[in-house]
Amino acid sequence: NAGVTQTPKFRVLKTGQSMTLLCAQDMNHEYMYWYRQDPGMGLRLIHYSVGEGTTAKGEVPDGYNVSRLKKQNFLLGLESAAPSQTSVYFCASSYSFWGHRNNEQFFGPGTRLTVL
Amino acid sequence: GESVGLHLPTLSVQEGDNSIINCAYSNSASDYFIWYKQESGKGPQFIIDIRSNMDKRQGQRVTVLLNKTVKHLSLQIAATQPGDSAVYFCAQSRRAGNMLTFGGGTRLMVKP
Repeated sequence: NAGVTQTPKFRVLKTGQSMTLLCAQDMNHEYMYWYRQDPGMGLRLIHYSVGEGTTAKGEVPDGYNVSRLKKQNFLLGLESAAPSQTSVYFCASSYSFWGHRNNEQFFGPGTRLTVL
Repeated sequence: GESVGLHLPTLSVQEGDNSIINCAYSNSASDYFIWYKQESGKGPQFIIDIRSNMDKRQGQRVTVLLNKTVKHLSLQIAATQPGDSAVYFCAQSRRAGNMLTFGGGTRLMVKP
């Protein structure tokens, strides 16, 4: 099992460029999440999905779009990158949604994105 | 709004000593709490969780204590090892199915 994988690991964009971050999980998890982590701060939820074909907004959704066409994949898109989106992006997946006992959230290794 | 914060941004301990990492939360409606460990260059890793109907929960070398009266959460690590060096985050959620709110993190440094 690879767990949760993210592609790419690093990326540098110019302001206004677009890109897509790919998250894949091989644990047959229903729930998937995208977070961003800024220096000295905890994780903030961008978008999440409770199953194939569904997405929902998290705490900081502006400037991002997501898609969950396949259960194992969760894509995060930046249509027009801005310097404020420079961050480390983490994807996570879980069998059930947060708040359920013994529910472990598995995180990917992260994607470091720099927007110039 | 909900917020979760940490008292100490950096904690330095001697190898073999016990470590205590603290976390305060503001929302008294929170009923589920998690501690995560994040090593450099890696994603967060689940350590232990606790529900609001409990005061204490123990794992392997780790104990989480919850004081709902003062809205305080702590993570105790027994016999701290160099491999425990990492940033530790607490997180909370308000009822099942709600989003997790993360604290800013505490860096634990273990001196050999």
